[in-house]
Amino acid sequence: LAKTTQPISMDSYEGQEVNITCSHNNIATNDYITWYQQFPSQGPRFIIQGYKTKVTNEVASLFIPADRKSSTLSLPRVSLSDTAVYYCLVAYSGAGSYQLTFGKGTKLSVIP
Amino acid sequence: NAGVTQTPKFQVLKTGQSMTLQCAQDMNHNSMYWYRQDPGMGLRLIYYSASEGTTDKGEVPNGYNVSRLNKREFSLRLESAAPSQTSVYFCASSEALERGTQYFGPGTRLLVL
Repeated sequence: LAKTTQPISMDSYEGQEVNITCSHNNIATNDYITWYQQFPSQGPRFIIQGYKTKVTNEVASLFIPADRKSSTLSLPRVSLSDTAVYYCLVAYSGAGSYQLTFGKGTKLSVIP
Repeated sequence: NAGVTQTPKFQVLKTGQSMTLQCAQDMNHNSMYWYRQDPGMGLRLIYYSASEGTTDKGEVPNGYNVSRLNKREFSLRLESAAPSQTSVYFCASSEALERGTQYFGPGTRLLVL
């Protein structure tokens, strides 16, 4: 059974780099890992996506090691506005269909 | 370009009542999804539609039905609402099921008394 696990919460000071790790068992070679950000009373918002090695965009980086059993979202120099819940989503393939599994979310609190 | 829109924004139902949540997207996406999010919890997939004309069960489909009316619209129906269905419901869409790059609507807050 596919399962996606992430820490419940993290605290960080402003200006620091934050790394949030997601563990995903039974992931196949081409299964995608996607990260979302959610503020209270809003829908989740796409941050970054990848399926191997490293992906970088203007707001974050995603690191995926060779065994692909985990992935790490990296937020450089966080600010107070980055306080939110971050979700990892894995699209697990297998048996002719996809299983979309969100982690339970990591609540990031950025401290001044 | 409105993205993903949902109606209504908020609804109160009595136990046993029925209602339909509406969702529409204007991004020409193939896949659409319905999630529920309980207070302080993550997102759980109720149903999804990989493409127009198809629907499949997600993690928590019991008590719900869906209709993919056309490529743009995907509705969620509660036939006989129960207090356990009190939640925030999010609709999302993506170009393809396997990529996971989903765009979410603003949500519908449902309270079942």
